[in-house]
Amino acid sequence: GAVVSQHPSWVICKSGTSVKIECRSLDFQATTMFWYRQFPKQSLMLMATSNEGSKATYEQGVEKDKFLINHASLTLSTLTVTSAHPEDSSFYICSAHVRDRDNYGYTFGSGTRLTVV
Amino acid sequence: GEDVEQSLFLSVREGDSSVINCTYTDSSSTYLYWYKQEPGAGLQLLTYIFSNMDMKQDQRLTVLLNKKDKHLSLRIADTQTGDSAIYFCAEEGRGGGNKLTFGTGTQLKVEL
Repeated sequence: GAVVSQHPSWVICKSGTSVKIECRSLDFQATTMFWYRQFPKQSLMLMATSNEGSKATYEQGVEKDKFLINHASLTLSTLTVTSAHPEDSSFYICSAHVRDRDNYGYTFGSGTRLTVV
Repeated sequence: GEDVEQSLFLSVREGDSSVINCTYTDSSSTYLYWYKQEPGAGLQLLTYIFSNMDMKQDQRLTVLLNKKDKHLSLRIADTQTGDSAIYFCAEEGRGGGNKLTFGTGTQLKVEL
C-alpha cells in the first residue's frame, strides 16, 4: 500500500535553533502533502497544504515564516521549524492523499515528536 | 464552518462491541474516514465511506452514515485489547484542496 515515511521520529533542540522534518512518499507520487500539528490529548490541526513545485497554502493563524514548507519533488516535502521555541513543542504529522486502483484516502507519516528546550 | 465532534472516552470489555460516534456539520462532505492512533504514532486508516452510502462493512468494522442527521458511527465487533487507542473521524469536504477536518478523538479503552 501507499506509505509515507517521516523522519525524524523525535527530536530535541535548543531554543532558537531550526529543525527540519522530512516526509517521503515511498511508492507513489504525492502532488499534495498536508502538515498537521497535534498537542497532547488533542486532535490534529491542519497547518498547511504543500503542493509540488508551488508555494504552500497556510491555514489561518499559522506563521509561514516560522514554519517553512518545501515540496520540491513529487516524493518529498519538508517542514522546517525556524527559531524554535518551547511553545513549538508538539507532535507534527504529514499526510498525502492517495487515489489509485487499490487505495483511496489519506496516508499518514508516523509523526515527529519535537521538544524544544 | 466545519465542526466535527466525538465523545472523549469509551470503555468496553473485551469481546463486546464498541460503538464510536461522530457528528459533523459540513453537509457537502464527500468522504468520511475513521482513523486509529496508538500512543506516539501516526494515524492508521481503518475505513472510509462515501457520502452517498449508508453503511459499509469491513471485517470487524461497520460504518453507519446518517446524512440527514450528519451522524457517523464506527462499530467494532468482538473488541480486543489491541483495539485500545484513540479513534478519529474525519471529513473531506468539497472546499477544495482535499482538506480533512478531524474530530476531537475518542479514546477507547478495552478492559479484560
